[in-house]
Amino acid sequence: AQKITQTQPGMFVQEKEAVTLDCTYDTSDQSYGLFWYKQPSSGEMIFLIYQGSYDEQNATEGRYSLNFQKARKSANLVISASQLGDSAMYFCAMRDRTSSNDYKLSFGAGTTVTVRA
Amino acid sequence: ETGVTQTPRHLVMGMTNKKSLKCEQHLGHNAMYWYKQSAKKPLELMFVYSLEERVENNSVPSRFSPECPNSSHLFLHLHTLQPEDSALYLCASSQVTRSSTDTQYFGPGTRLTVL
Repeated sequence: AQKITQTQPGMFVQEKEAVTLDCTYDTSDQSYGLFWYKQPSSGEMIFLIYQGSYDEQNATEGRYSLNFQKARKSANLVISASQLGDSAMYFCAMRDRTSSNDYKLSFGAGTTVTVRA
Repeated sequence: ETGVTQTPRHLVMGMTNKKSLKCEQHLGHNAMYWYKQSAKKPLELMFVYSLEERVENNSVPSRFSPECPNSSHLFLHLHTLQPEDSALYLCASSQVTRSSTDTQYFGPGTRLTVL
């Protein structure tokens, strides 16, 4: 069963504008973590931001913020003031318990963001 | 060197060749991972080594053979691969705390083409 769903295969955004990337997840665990990674065309997966399931405040890291809506099981990434260098593939991932003593990281299919000048 | 490094960055091999991918992490982590990223597919976890012991296999074909000689180094030995094995192979490391907060840090990947 799909644990992480990213419904937007590709998005265009104008430079200096904000963009929201959708992510919904499925888990029966109470303790889990949500991550966003950026993958430029070079291939490296760059960690951007983390949100814990018990965190009461939305995570923020510079121009990245995570809109965490626990009841809806969504963890959308907001990139503010987009820059040309933000053009990349973005992956949402969740780490949750898969057995009594083990956690696994599951990735969504990704969203391609293209920033236009 | 900092972070996670992978060599080579690009590899082209025939189906009868034997090659190895190398990963090294400089973060002091105790777990390392191999992922496969094929076109139009989510990342697939292949192998996990925690404290140098393999804890996850994920039903990977035996033509892929991992090796973790110490907590900083991870290899993926390849032999008699198929064209469908062409993909980006990503290595990652993390500090395992058996909680949901472990952040995995990735290397730049090896882009493998099997002819």
